[in-house]
Amino acid sequence: KAGVTQTPRYLIKTRGQQVTLSCSPISGHRSVSWYQQTPGQGLQFLFEYFSETQRNKGNFPGRFSGRQFSNSRSEMNVSTLELGDSALYLCASSYEVTDTQYFGPGTRLTVL
Amino acid sequence: AQSVSQHNHHVILSEAASLELGCNYSYGGTVNLFWYVQYPGQHLQLLLKYFSGDPLVKGIKGFEAEFIKSKFSFNLRKPSVQWSDTAEYFCAVGYQKVTFGTGTKLQVIP
Repeated sequence: KAGVTQTPRYLIKTRGQQVTLSCSPISGHRSVSWYQQTPGQGLQFLFEYFSETQRNKGNFPGRFSGRQFSNSRSEMNVSTLELGDSALYLCASSYEVTDTQYFGPGTRLTVL
Repeated sequence: AQSVSQHNHHVILSEAASLELGCNYSYGGTVNLFWYVQYPGQHLQLLLKYFSGDPLVKGIKGFEAEFIKSKFSFNLRKPSVQWSDTAEYFCAVGYQKVTFGTGTKLQVIP
């Protein structure tokens, strides 16, 4: 069974731009969670989607948004990028959010 | 609000030494507990998890953890570490929203 895939793997943007990251979960998984990983803050929960609905949200500003499609693929969008948004963005999928989450390789976003 | 505390930020051990990484959590409801590992250049992988039942949980690669409800702890242990255990270890807790600790970097010296 293929693992969680994330595209692109690396991204460089400038302040003020917006970015869209994509996540394809493991086949059959309906829950997709997004995390931001930085050296200073560690892994922080962004949001979780299940059957195209956002069910849980972390403490991030409204510039961070996401969506999930009917095939469970998910995208997250960050608008008006700031330098502090530079991070590794991880996607994790599971059958249900209460089950074991399987992580993708992440998208490394650098904001200049 | 749920929180996870990992007290050891960086641990250095010689091969064959025993390992114990501390994890304490604060959570008010049904608790699922996890330990994840991130080897250099690799994805986060699940080492072990506790949902219910036997509080002593065995995971992959010889790791185990004990859930002690009265102490709100879920410490990770391994009797004898190997150089290949060099990685960053994350404790996590949650039910619908998972909170991760800040991680412990383990360096095993041959």
